[in-house]
Amino acid sequence: AQSVTQPDIHITVSEGASLELRCNYSYGATPYLFWYVQSPGQGLQLLLKYFSGDTLVQGIKGFEAEFKRSQSSFNLRKPSVHWSDAAEYFCAVGLFDRGSTLGRLYFGRGTQLTVWP
Amino acid sequence: DAGVIQSPRHEVTEMGQEVTLRCKPISGHNSLFWYRQTMMRGLELLIYFNNNVPIDDSGMPEDRFSAKMPNASFSTLKIQPSEPRDSAVYFCASTKRGGGTGTDTQYFGPGTRLTVL
Repeated sequence: AQSVTQPDIHITVSEGASLELRCNYSYGATPYLFWYVQSPGQGLQLLLKYFSGDTLVQGIKGFEAEFKRSQSSFNLRKPSVHWSDAAEYFCAVGLFDRGSTLGRLYFGRGTQLTVWP
Repeated sequence: DAGVIQSPRHEVTEMGQEVTLRCKPISGHNSLFWYRQTMMRGLELLIYFNNNVPIDDSGMPEDRFSAKMPNASFSTLKIQPSEPRDSAVYFCASTKRGGGTGTDTQYFGPGTRLTVL
């Protein structure tokens, strides 16, 4: 069965410090992988996605993620965190439905990021 | 683009009452998803539609929940009768299928926060 694990429930970093949020997935085939961010009271905004090709994916707001098949991981990174990055971050794996197009997403439980000034 | 529109943004009701949540997907999108977010279970898919047809409703908790998509620009999620354990944030998301591998991205609405007393 497919699943997504985000081991860190809450992470605190200082502004300007680097950030890495961990994500591990369990899926029998080549996964479609996503990172979303959710600010308080808001919906989810897509940061980046991986479908195939280059395993280092660039996203919005200076985020990047690296797909490592051998480790079943898709960790999110940012070299220098800004106070506005404080939010909850969700990793997700997407499944294909009939027709080989993207269907449902399975989400991790999220990582809450706090940024100290 | 207006994005995915959900209404109401907040709903407070009493146990036993009927609740209807509404969603307008992004124009031109042909897949629509209903998710529920709770502290206990995180983000989970309830149901999704392709071209107004329900494809996967395995996440619908029980018969009290029903969803319809009468046309490409409108969907409802109904709970009747509502119970306190239905309290959650309900998200609607939409995507455009068939744009080729790697183009399917789910865009989320702001959510409806439901409180059942």
